[in-house]
Amino acid sequence: EIVLTQSPGTLSLSPGDRATLSCRASQSVSNTYLAWYQQKPGQTPRVLIYGASNRATGIPDRFSGSGSGTDFTLTISRLEPEDFAVYYCQRYGSSLSLTFGGGTKVEIK
Amino acid sequence: QVQLVQSGAEVRKPGASVNVSCKASGYTFTGNFVHWVRQAPGQGLEWVGWINPHSGGTKYAQKFQGRVTMTRDTSIRTAYMELTSLRSDDTAFYYCARVQKGYWHFDLWGRGTLVTVSS
Repeated sequence: EIVLTQSPGTLSLSPGDRATLSCRASQSVSNTYLAWYQQKPGQTPRVLIYGASNRATGIPDRFSGSGSGTDFTLTISRLEPEDFAVYYCQRYGSSLSLTFGGGTKVEIK
Repeated sequence: QVQLVQSGAEVRKPGASVNVSCKASGYTFTGNFVHWVRQAPGQGLEWVGWINPHSGGTKYAQKFQGRVTMTRDTSIRTAYMELTSLRSDDTAFYYCARVQKGYWHFDLWGRGTLVTVSS
């Protein structure tokens, strides 16, 4: 089974900083089925990026996704106060199963 | 309004079973797979499995095989997840979520049902 490893576990940054979050798969993953979510305390996850690089409806353009194969990246170009949250990558596989990464917490420095 | 409405919080003793419901509205229930995802307090997201509301077909995460059953009632647009032989580490929020065809990402979530397993 494919494992998704997110790094770092915690990212301490200031508003206005650039955030770079990594999601590494134990085997090659199809770009089509790689997504990123944001979750704030007490809320359900919200999709940010699907298909590795497509922004979901209503997501600001400071969020971008890239990567292929086993290495994927979520970039937040300039952190806004509302962006401090936990971020998860997710992949759907050929075995019809689904996997989440362990998450990266972006906290205020 | 497009939404998934889940049943309320449950408390169970170890060894018991729980059945959580997820009622869809505002879209064609049989048009999208419904997944179940759980999140223990302070922990990450864990995929439990999916059901195809059209056919009733299911796929479960290996970890839950033998303990989870997902069903649906298309007449009332509702999906169900039953988890048996509950343990304390099953204490979590259980979310249902609609997956978007093509890219298989979740575009609609229920608000979650807290299942607490305690003696």
